[in-house]
Amino acid sequence: DVKVTQSSRYLVKRTGEKVFLECVQDMDHENMFWYRQDPGLGLRLIYFSYDVKMKEKGDIPEGYSVSREKKERFSLILESASTNQTSMYLCASRTDHTEAFFGQGTRLTVV
Amino acid sequence: GQQLNQSPQSMFIQEGEDVSMNCTSSSIFNTWLWYKQDPGEGPVLLIALYKAGELTSNGRLTAQFGITRKDSFLNISASIPSDVGIYFCAGVPYNNNDMRFGAGTRLTVKP
Repeated sequence: DVKVTQSSRYLVKRTGEKVFLECVQDMDHENMFWYRQDPGLGLRLIYFSYDVKMKEKGDIPEGYSVSREKKERFSLILESASTNQTSMYLCASRTDHTEAFFGQGTRLTVV
Repeated sequence: GQQLNQSPQSMFIQEGEDVSMNCTSSSIFNTWLWYKQDPGEGPVLLIALYKAGELTSNGRLTAQFGITRKDSFLNISASIPSDVGIYFCAGVPYNNNDMRFGAGTRLTVKP
């Protein structure tokens, strides 16, 4: 059974904190993605990675960075969390020729 | 990034009714995907479409990959209360790396 696991379901952080969201997949997928989901806006792509140490900006990369040191792990980093980064964050992975599989999501609240 | 226009934004229907939603884009896609998201969970794949003109069914769900490669629709027949949720379309471009989502259709089914 395919598995994409996000490290936390719920997180509460203070403004200015450095925040790490971790995502691990066990399917040996090349491509991994980070999206944020806000009401009425759907899923917006923050960053994606098509190989280890490779990354590409999505539509809304400002305020975020990513790290892919190993194939199975893709981390999203908020260098200095702000209240407008309060959102649901979704990680996904896929190979080049299949659908994407999603984690359960991390609901981040920045206070 | 490529824009996906998904409509309608929301639907309120009676149990037993049929549902239709669609996605359009100004860009061409190599793959169209339809996902459903239940509250507090990550999206789960319903149907994947890989060829222009392809019509695929999954139980009461039917989806088509538009012949121009710029659109797709999803139909749900004889809706039931557990169909409630948010439905997303997603498109994978020819570079096969990134993946973009529509804003979602929120479906409410009244018993």
